[in-house]
Amino acid sequence: QVQMVQSGREIKKPGASVRVSCKASGYTFSSYAITWMRQAPGQGLQWLGWINTYNGKAILPQKFQDRVTMTTDTSTSTAYMELRSLRSDDTAIYYCARGQANFRVRWFDPWGQGTLVTVSS
Amino acid sequence: QSALTQPASVSGSPGQSITISCTGASSDLSAYSFISWYQQHPGKVPKLMLYDVTNRPSGVSNRFSGSKSGNTASLTISGLQAEDEGDYYCASYVSDNTIVFGGGTKLTVL
Repeated sequence: QVQMVQSGREIKKPGASVRVSCKASGYTFSSYAITWMRQAPGQGLQWLGWINTYNGKAILPQKFQDRVTMTTDTSTSTAYMELRSLRSDDTAIYYCARGQANFRVRWFDPWGQGTLVTVSS
Repeated sequence: QSALTQPASVSGSPGQSITISCTGASSDLSAYSFISWYQQHPGKVPKLMLYDVTNRPSGVSNRFSGSKSGNTASLTISGLQAEDEGDYYCASYVSDNTIVFGGGTKLTVL
């Protein structure tokens, strides 16, 4: 079955960077986009962007364009999300999810188990 | 992009029907029929419940239904069950390949 398995929890200091991985299985990796979201403690979901796994192009909201990089490794069916210049308000659970296609991504299923990133001095 | 607006909480008794609304800031939702809904139980991963306004993924109960009118989308749960309790989020495709989420609605089954 389709599965998204993410890397383990991270603890980082302010100003550092974090890279979260998302390994997909059970389908053709390059046929579906990978989307990233996050959820701060007790808060709602926030969209971080998505990456076209066929051509490697990422679409990011303006808010994250300076700090987020999304990449893929098609040889291992793995997507990566790097967040730089970490601040305390970046503390959240980070989720990856499969988009319904590589075009006009608009719904996400299934989701990875989430990766807790804690930013603390 | 501004977040979509959802009620903070809704409640209902078992067997009743409830509706959760999701309103766009301007014409976010009226331009496209690309609304999706996600259910999240405490401490769990979000689960897709509806996509493209009205479509249910395989395995999702037909007690869940969706609609859209103008700039407001709605999720209706009929025959409310205790297991439906949790948080519900709407999401919409907006312009330029971007996505915006609603703030979430906490559903309590009384």
